[in-house]
Amino acid sequence: DQQVKQNSPSLSVQEGRISILNCDYTNSMFDYFLWYKKYPAEGPTFLISISSIKDKNEDGRFTVFLNKSAKHLSLHIVPSQPGDSAVYFCAASEGNTPLVFGKGTRLSVIA
Amino acid sequence: GAGVSQSPSNKVTEKGKDVELRCDPISGHTALYWYRQSLGQGLEFLIYFQGNSAPDKSGLPSDRFSAERTGGSVSTLTIQRTQQEDSAVYLCASSTGTGITGELFFGEGSRLTVL
Repeated sequence: DQQVKQNSPSLSVQEGRISILNCDYTNSMFDYFLWYKKYPAEGPTFLISISSIKDKNEDGRFTVFLNKSAKHLSLHIVPSQPGDSAVYFCAASEGNTPLVFGKGTRLSVIA
Repeated sequence: GAGVSQSPSNKVTEKGKDVELRCDPISGHTALYWYRQSLGQGLEFLIYFQGNSAPDKSGLPSDRFSAERTGGSVSTLTIQRTQQEDSAVYLCASSTGTGITGELFFGEGSRLTVL
């Protein structure tokens, strides 16, 4: 049973517009959430994270929003750039347990 | 090197053979993780090491899978009597291992194909 769900396998966005990637989770004990980005033939790289005590974290063009009551988080990328085209994984952890990952969403930013 | 190093990058083997995958974590990182990504799937947790001990082996899919870590550094994931469903990219990651699980640093993965 998947604890972290990314229900959109893919997303296409025009360059310059906002990309919104969504993630839902079922374990209310998760207290730390991360987004990873993966290019083909490379390992995932860390992008941004948020603790459960916050509802928003911003880093440049990337913002992560956390809605604990809905068990939902989202990653906003604005403005989107062609170099953002990659697979984005949502991940969560409870304390010091290993990260649980979603299946990923493939983002294509069209020039 | 500065990053997590994995070898081999690609491995093609015949069903029933044993394979060993190696991971060299970032120097000083005490925590080491093995994940795998099968086609169309997310990253599936396999096993986690803190130092040389493995507090969490819950993700190993069967007793054909084993892993060890020696000297608090290099780890080897061994798959015995490989099956076609073992075909996947096996990813190793390391972290400083302190406090809550934070940022993991991943290697490029070892792509295993079982014919």
